[in-house]
Amino acid sequence: KNQVEQSPQSLIILEGKNCTLQCNYTVSPFSNLRWYKQDTGRGPVSLTIMTFSENTKSNGRYTATLDADTKQSSLHITASQLSDSASYICVVSAYTNAGKSTFGDGTTLTVKP
Amino acid sequence: KAGVTQTPRYLIKTRGQQVTLSCSPISGHRSVSWYQQTPGQGLQFLFEYFSETQRNKGNFPGRFSGRQFSNSRSEMNVSTLELGDSALYLCASSPVSGGANEQYFGPGTRLTVT
Repeated sequence: KNQVEQSPQSLIILEGKNCTLQCNYTVSPFSNLRWYKQDTGRGPVSLTIMTFSENTKSNGRYTATLDADTKQSSLHITASQLSDSASYICVVSAYTNAGKSTFGDGTTLTVKP
Repeated sequence: KAGVTQTPRYLIKTRGQQVTLSCSPISGHRSVSWYQQTPGQGLQFLFEYFSETQRNKGNFPGRFSGRQFSNSRSEMNVSTLELGDSALYLCASSPVSGGANEQYFGPGTRLTVT
């Protein structure tokens, strides 16, 4: 069964600090992995999308890494800001099953001043 | 390009009623997927429409249905509402079918069932 597990479930950090969110998956055969940011009560917004051949992708202060061998991804946030407070969702898609995506439950990040 | 729009943004209904939600995808996008998100839960896939045809379906009861029009706009209908249907309903559009492609989400419709 395809699964995506994210850790930690929630995280509190001080403004200006860095943090790393984890995503482990069992989706196979792998097509791509996406990270989304979702503010409370809003729709998710794409941060990065990585295919099998990509192991790092950046979007401003957000850097995602992918290790397709161990089926792990991380999202690193540098110099956090209050506006980074949100839920971060990892989504993995497979080539089979009509490319249906498997969503993680998300990590809720709170950045405090 | 304008983003994905959903109407209404907020809705309050009574148990037993039915509701219709609307989603307008990004211009040129032919795939629309619907998701349910409840507090503390991840996004649960409802169904995907592409070129007016349902391509994929999640594990939801038949009370949840949808359709897509020739202009790619999509509607989702929930009949005989239950308290547990209270959720944020999100739609996402994509140029092509299949969830493996980049999806662009709308702001969601917050449905409250009393």
